[in-house]
Amino acid sequence: QVQLVESGGTLVKPGGSLRLSCAASGFFFNDYYMSWMRQAPGKGLEWVSYMSSSGYSMYYADSVKGRFTISRDNAKNSLYLQMNSLRAEDTAVYYCARSFPRGMPQEYWGQGTLVTVTS
Amino acid sequence: QSALTQPASVSGSLGQSISISCTGTSSDIGYYNYVSWYQQHPGEAPKLLIYDVTYRPSGVSPRFSGSRSGNSASLTISGLQAEDEADYYCSSFTTGNTLEVFGGGTKLTVL
Repeated sequence: QVQLVESGGTLVKPGGSLRLSCAASGFFFNDYYMSWMRQAPGKGLEWVSYMSSSGYSMYYADSVKGRFTISRDNAKNSLYLQMNSLRAEDTAVYYCARSFPRGMPQEYWGQGTLVTVTS
Repeated sequence: QSALTQPASVSGSLGQSISISCTGTSSDIGYYNYVSWYQQHPGEAPKLLIYDVTYRPSGVSPRFSGSRSGNSASLTISGLQAEDEADYYCSSFTTGNTLEVFGGGTKLTVL
């Protein structure tokens, strides 16, 4: 069955950096488009970033553009999110998700990893 | 402020049917046949319930159905069960660089 396991979430200071990872299993990772989503505490869902199966196409929400970088390693069945210049408003549970080819909807979700940005 | 508008809460009794509305614009719900609905129980990841307005992923109960009219969409849950108590989010594909926009979520209480 499809499994997505995120890791890397932790407490970080404003302006700091963090790299999230997502380990995928149960499907042929190379064939699928992948996304990062997030949910601030007690708030709704927000699409963050998306990468095509080949890694050549990527999109970002305006709120993270220029600060976050999505990447993938198909040989390792893994998706990554490099987060720089973190702000308090980036505090959220970050989910890795398998996407339809157009970028949405998110067909499968991981359990999420919490990123807390605070001084 | 969410791009799509949902009621904050709805409630219904066991066995009844309820609908949750989702209002967007001619740039998202009104333009694309790409409306989705997600269910999220407390402390869990969201689960895809409906995609492309009316389609259910394999394994999703037929008690869940979706529809769209103009710039609005609806999720209908028939035969309410206790386990349906959860938060529900609508989403849509949209023009521009943001691929998926969401509603603020609707908390369903089963009485």
